[in-house]
Amino acid sequence: DIVMTQTPLSLSVTPGQPASMSCKSSQSLLYTTGKTHLYWYLQKPGQPPQLLIYEVSNRFSGVPDRFSGSGSGTDFTLKISRVEAEDVGVYYCMQSMQLPRYTFGQGTKLEIK
Amino acid sequence: QVQLQESGPGLVKPSGTLSLTCAVSGASISSDNWWSWVRQPPGKGLEWIVEIYPGSTRYPSGTTNYNPSLKSRVTLSVEKSTNQLSLNLSSVTAADTAVYYCARTKAATIDYWGQGTLVTVSS
Repeated sequence: DIVMTQTPLSLSVTPGQPASMSCKSSQSLLYTTGKTHLYWYLQKPGQPPQLLIYEVSNRFSGVPDRFSGSGSGTDFTLKISRVEAEDVGVYYCMQSMQLPRYTFGQGTKLEIK
Repeated sequence: QVQLQESGPGLVKPSGTLSLTCAVSGASISSDNWWSWVRQPPGKGLEWIVEIYPGSTRYPSGTTNYNPSLKSRVTLSVEKSTNQLSLNLSSVTAADTAVYYCARTKAATIDYWGQGTLVTVSS
């Protein structure tokens, strides 16, 4: 199985300040098609996860441009340029390279100072 | 906009079978889409359970992918006439207590999620 490891497990950020979190996979997520199967989700309290970023760096429909994703191979980063109160929740990275077809990291909890 | 709504009993006895239904709107279940179930134990992370491609006019044969750790206990079915999915998980224990989400998977990602339904396994 591909194991996804996220750091840090929690993050406390002042509104208006940037935030950054990391996700590392135990194997490369670069597929033969040239696409990298790494995705980011935000789960706000009491809600289902919502897709933020697909294929490393593409923002999903309606996602604000303060969210950006980067990385390659096995190392990936999600950045929020200016944190807002509505960004609180748990951020998960996910891979879809191989069975189990989708595996998630353990999550990074973002809190507002 | 794709919308998904899970429903089913909130309490299941140990060794029994968990049965959930997902009603899909805004997309046809038999169009070129995949559909998944994902679960989340209270206060914990996300675990993907199973994924089905029911088939389409262009690709009539359906297929199902399972999380190997759950495959022996999972049954997934599709009711095209009502645009619904059904999940059965047999021989449940307390470890199966979780919020169960129905979701659409497209282009190798999970893009739309239902609100989820909490199932507690307890006598």
